[in-house]
Amino acid sequence: AQRVTQPEKLLSVFKGAPVELKCNYSYSGSPELFWYVQYSRQRLQLLLRHISRESIKGFTADLNKGETSFHLKKPFAQEEDSAMYYCALADSGGYQKVTFGTGTKLQVIP
Amino acid sequence: DAGVTQSPTHLIKTRGQQVTLRCSPKSGHDTVSWYQQALGQGPQFIFQYYEEEERQRGNFPDRFSGHQFPNYSSELNVNALLLGDSALYLCASSLVDRNPYEQYFGPGTRLTVT
Repeated sequence: AQRVTQPEKLLSVFKGAPVELKCNYSYSGSPELFWYVQYSRQRLQLLLRHISRESIKGFTADLNKGETSFHLKKPFAQEEDSAMYYCALADSGGYQKVTFGTGTKLQVIP
Repeated sequence: DAGVTQSPTHLIKTRGQQVTLRCSPKSGHDTVSWYQQALGQGPQFIFQYYEEEERQRGNFPDRFSGHQFPNYSSELNVNALLLGDSALYLCASSLVDRNPYEQYFGPGTRLTVT
């Protein structure tokens, strides 16, 4: 069974400090991994996916298959980064059954 | 384009009743997935519809059923409601042939079972 674990419910950092949101997964196969974000009073939206290897809003995430991790990082937090972040995993077989973690609330303190 | 729309916004039902939730996908999208999000939890996959057929299902009982119409809109039906069915129900749409993993979410329907 596939599982996504986000160990922190809340992460508070000061503006300008580095951010790392942790995500570990369990999956027997080659996973597709994603980070979704939900800003206050907005819809859940895709932030980035590992296969794109891109930086979105200054965030990056590297898939570490040895440690089964997909941590989200940003070198300098901004106040507008405050939001709920969900790590998610999908079957790589072309279907879109997505398993979400429980989420981490990022609070950037001015 | 209004994106993914869901109706109703809020709903209150009694245990044992049945409920139908509706979803219209983003324009041009052909696939609809439904998720249940309990308070303090991440969304949990219920099922996915493509070409009017259920093609993936999560660990939900048969009380949860769905339908997709020729215009790609979808319904989620829940029978014999339990208190534990109280949650935010999210619909997400995508285009299977372009970027199947880029799902667009609706605002959700908040279901309260009393």
